[in-house]
Amino acid sequence: GQQVMQIPQYQHVQEGEDFTTYCNSSTTLSNIQWYKQRPGGHPVFLIQLVKSGEVKKQKRLTFQFGEAKKNSSLHITATQTTDVGTYFCAGRAGAGKSTFGDGTTLTVKP
Amino acid sequence: NAGVTQTPKFRILKIGQSMTLQCTQDMNHNYMYWYRQDPGMGLKLIYYSVGAGITDKGEVPNGYNVSRSTTEDFPLRLELAAPSQTSVYFCASSYLAGQGGELFFGEGSRLTVL
Repeated sequence: GQQVMQIPQYQHVQEGEDFTTYCNSSTTLSNIQWYKQRPGGHPVFLIQLVKSGEVKKQKRLTFQFGEAKKNSSLHITATQTTDVGTYFCAGRAGAGKSTFGDGTTLTVKP
Repeated sequence: NAGVTQTPKFRILKIGQSMTLQCTQDMNHNYMYWYRQDPGMGLKLIYYSVGAGITDKGEVPNGYNVSRSTTEDFPLRLELAAPSQTSVYFCASSYLAGQGGELFFGEGSRLTVL
């Protein structure tokens, strides 16, 4: 079945440093979504990418979808303590189902 | 709108007991999902539904059952609880499956089986 791998599993940064998490799918995706889960909370939708090579920005967050639609990345510029949490990608290859990566947990040292 | 509401938030079960996790959404979404999240892991799809009366298995359906009698409700039934079912369970809904199909999650139900 479809597999979605996400790296790294953990990332510890100093406040102000950049952060990137990568997502790779074993199959071509129709779209990929990114979610953020704060400690003890539930996943919250950040963005959806649909087109090959698509790049979207949300303030300090930059999301990319690969040309082959099998990989994606989330980059945070100049991290802040409010960025702490686990970031998940979720790839959709079939109708009605998304496969989640295991997430990257970001900790930010003030 | 309350969004997606799950009950209970916490529950402790003994091995072999059964229970139902309730999930209701007030956004008139067709698609509903049940995920489980083990510590340090991602979300694994248990069951999903594309509309009232239609359900299908996800990645990890064994030990669970669902029903979808209405658009709003999607309860998850655990029969003969086992320690391996200790997890956090999230219900989610979406309006679409493709473009625009962002998932709205409930706050989760933390289940411990002893």
